[in-house]
Amino acid sequence: NAGVTQTPKFQVLKTGQSMTLQCAQDMNHEYMSWYRQDPGMGLRLIHYSVGAGITDQGEVPNGYNVSRSTTEDFPLRLLSAAPSQTSVYFCASRAGTGVPLGYTFGSGTRLTVV
Amino acid sequence: LAKTTQPISMDSYEGQEVNITCSHNNIATNDYITWYQQFPSQGPRFIIQGYKTKVTNEVASLFIPADRKSSTLSLPRVSLSDTAVYYCLVGDGKDSNYQLIWGAGTKLIIKP
Repeated sequence: NAGVTQTPKFQVLKTGQSMTLQCAQDMNHEYMSWYRQDPGMGLRLIHYSVGAGITDQGEVPNGYNVSRSTTEDFPLRLLSAAPSQTSVYFCASRAGTGVPLGYTFGSGTRLTVV
Repeated sequence: LAKTTQPISMDSYEGQEVNITCSHNNIATNDYITWYQQFPSQGPRFIIQGYKTKVTNEVASLFIPADRKSSTLSLPRVSLSDTAVYYCLVGDGKDSNYQLIWGAGTKLIIKP
């Protein structure tokens, strides 16, 4: 089925470890974003991309890196995991033009840093 | 970036119509209003989007008054499966720096 695929679904890291959260979409969407969601809170934007080769910082970028080498993939790298990065991470994509312009979200990655 | 205000929680009963109102006093001329639904342990799901007046799809209706400083999501004849968190967001879909500000949303609980 078309959509946004995130892997892994669950991950436990030790403090200081690094890892990459994978995100892929097959809808040829230009815009892709990474969000984190803490319990009982709304989503906060980490990084976003408006097309291959273009990325920018969101509200909470510190400790995370992204790249966008293809339209389909938008991986999120945690450089040195900290307990404060324990959260649920969502990747989302949407078309760059046309209406409606709603995002399609992945099912999320639940990350625990111990 | 426009900030939105919505009730923290609402209760209703199966078969009722539910209206969730969102205020966005500093909405800009180019901003669209978008609503999402989120179930526990899932990503948000796009419900409906509008710019002015009324928009209806198979899931919901969105009412936007002329001044666009508020909007109302209407869910007809809700069922238990409509229990979820509903988010209202505003933003300019055509701006390359388009970023959404997500509040805590409205937790809707449907009772039998």
